[in-house]
This record gives sequence, C-alpha cells and structure tokens, in this order.
Amino acid sequence: GENVEQHPSTLSVQEGDSAVIKCTYSDSASNYFPWYKQELGKRPQLIIDIRSNVGEKKDQRIAVTLNKTAKHFSLHITETQPEDSAVYFCAALSPGGGNKLTFGTGTQLKVEL
Amino acid sequence: GAGVSQSPSNKVTEKGKDVELRCDPISGHTALYWYRQSLGQGLEFLIYFQGNSAPDKSGLPSDRFSAERTGGSVSTLTIQRTQQEDSAVYLCASRPTGFGLGYTFGSGTRLTVV
Repeated sequence: GENVEQHPSTLSVQEGDSAVIKCTYSDSASNYFPWYKQELGKRPQLIIDIRSNVGEKKDQRIAVTLNKTAKHFSLHITETQPEDSAVYFCAALSPGGGNKLTFGTGTQLKVEL
Repeated sequence: GAGVSQSPSNKVTEKGKDVELRCDPISGHTALYWYRQSLGQGLEFLIYFQGNSAPDKSGLPSDRFSAERTGGSVSTLTIQRTQQEDSAVYLCASRPTGFGLGYTFGSGTRLTVV
C-alpha cells in the first residue's frame, strides 16, 4: 500500500518568515495530494490540494508543489502569522489503495512573535 | 447537514465495556471514512464505506472493532470490550463522489478508557 513520510515533525519560525513542509510518497500511481491543518483540539481542515497533472498550486500565502518523478510534494507558507501555528498533515490518494487517503505523521508548526 | 456531525463529542468508559460512536456525514456524500488519532499522533485509517459496495475494513486493528453504515448515510463504529489502548480521538470524514475531492472531517469523539 501507499506510504507517506513527512518532515520535519516540528518546525519553529519567526513571524513573517516562510515555512516549508515536505512529504514523500511511495506509490507512483497516487494522483491526489491534499494538505490539512489541525488546530489544537479541532478537526483537520483542508487548506490546499493538488492533482497529479499539476506541478504547482497557489492560494494566497500558501502553495503546494509536486514532483512526480521524485515522488515528493511540499507545502510552502509565506509571511507566516501566529494563527498559522497548528499541526499540518499531508496525504496521498492511491487508486490501488481503495480511494482512501494515507496521511503523513504531521508537522507541528509554531510561529513565534 | 452543513457539516459532518459526530456524537458523542467525549466518552469516558470503563475497561471492558462496549461503546458506540456515531457519524452523520454531509448529505449526498457517498464515501465515509473512520480514522483514529492517538495523542500527538497522525491519522490511522480504520474503515471506509463507498455507496453500496462492501466496506474496506483493512484498517480495523482487531475483531473488537466493527462499523456499519445504514441506508448509505449514518455510520456507527462499535468497539467491544474496550481496552486502555483504544483511548484516542475517533474522526469521521465524508467525501462526495468524484476525483480529487477532499475529505470533510467531523469534530471527532474523544474516547477515554479508564
């Protein structure tokens, strides 16, 4: 089945700096890659996603890049703000995996003032 | 409904008792998933329902865990003879039919086995 690895597990940045979270996946057939943000005690919420036919997608301060050859994708947050502090999860959808998402282990992002 | 609804939000149970967790997905969403999140951990897949197809139970950790989805809507996750290691947040998510559409998660049920 699909295996998703996520790094780093924790990330601390100064307000206004950029943050980058990286994920790798194992199944070359995976074709959909969402990112979820989970604030403390709350549900994971979809913040951005990318399909395998696209290399990059941007939405205001967040962007996701996908390198299918290397089987990795990354989340980029620019001009970080304290409210960006949360746990971020990447995920991959593998057609052979029964249409269920396989999640990374999460990155705890802390934006310091 | 407007979102995925889960109940109860919190459940404390004694070791050995059975518990039932309920998920009411977004109306019209054909796919429903259960995940488990232990403290500070990632999201562990448990079971997946898609329409009238047989569920994908490949993530259920033991035969004490079961789930059903009645009428293609509400789902119930049952844990029999609960153990302390079952303590976690159980998250339900639903998704509409179609490629590239992400899950919408419920707020979860925090289960504590004492």
